[in-house]
Amino acid sequence: AQSVAQPEDQVNVAEGNPLTVKCTYSVSGNPYLFWYVQYPNRGLQFLLKYITGDNLVKGSYGFEAEFNKSQTSFHLKKPSALVSDSALYFCAVRPSGSARQLTFGSGTQLTVLP
Amino acid sequence: GAGVSQSPSNKVTEKGKDVELRCDPISGHTALYWYRQSLGQGLEFLIYFQGNSAPDKSGLPSDRFSAERTGGSVSTLTIQRTQQEDSAVYLCASSSSYRGGRGDEQFFGPGTRLTVL
Repeated sequence: AQSVAQPEDQVNVAEGNPLTVKCTYSVSGNPYLFWYVQYPNRGLQFLLKYITGDNLVKGSYGFEAEFNKSQTSFHLKKPSALVSDSALYFCAVRPSGSARQLTFGSGTQLTVLP
Repeated sequence: GAGVSQSPSNKVTEKGKDVELRCDPISGHTALYWYRQSLGQGLEFLIYFQGNSAPDKSGLPSDRFSAERTGGSVSTLTIQRTQQEDSAVYLCASSSSYRGGRGDEQFFGPGTRLTVL
């Protein structure tokens, strides 16, 4: 069975500094990896995905993520954080095979301090 | 264009009552998913519909939970004899996946917050 780990419940970063939200996964076969963001009282919004190809994936709002197969990681990054980036971030994996549903990590609350 | 919509946005019910939650997916999306988001359990998959195929019910926690999708569009999640542990936010998502489109991202609705007293 597949799983996703987000080792940090909370990440604090100063505005203007780079941010990283960590994610590691376990899945058989080739993974399909996703990042979603959730603002208070809102549904999840898609940020970016890795399917195949370049290990560095660029997404919405200046976010990017780096797929590292040897470390089974898919960390979310942004060069310069904004206060408006403060939200709950979820990493998710979909295994190869017929299953289509996503398996989510536990989420990381990002707070960008002004 | 319109995104995924869900109704009601909030539902408060008494233990033992039945509830129905509705999801309107993005027009043209063939795949529809239900997830549950609760403290301590995170985001859990419940059920998945793809076109006219039999739904994947592998995530439903008990036989009190059921869902249907009429006409390949609107879906209703029904919880019978609600229990306090059913309290959660129920999220619906849709995607345009066809066979092989496993990389298609899912678009989520705002959720229905269910509180069972």
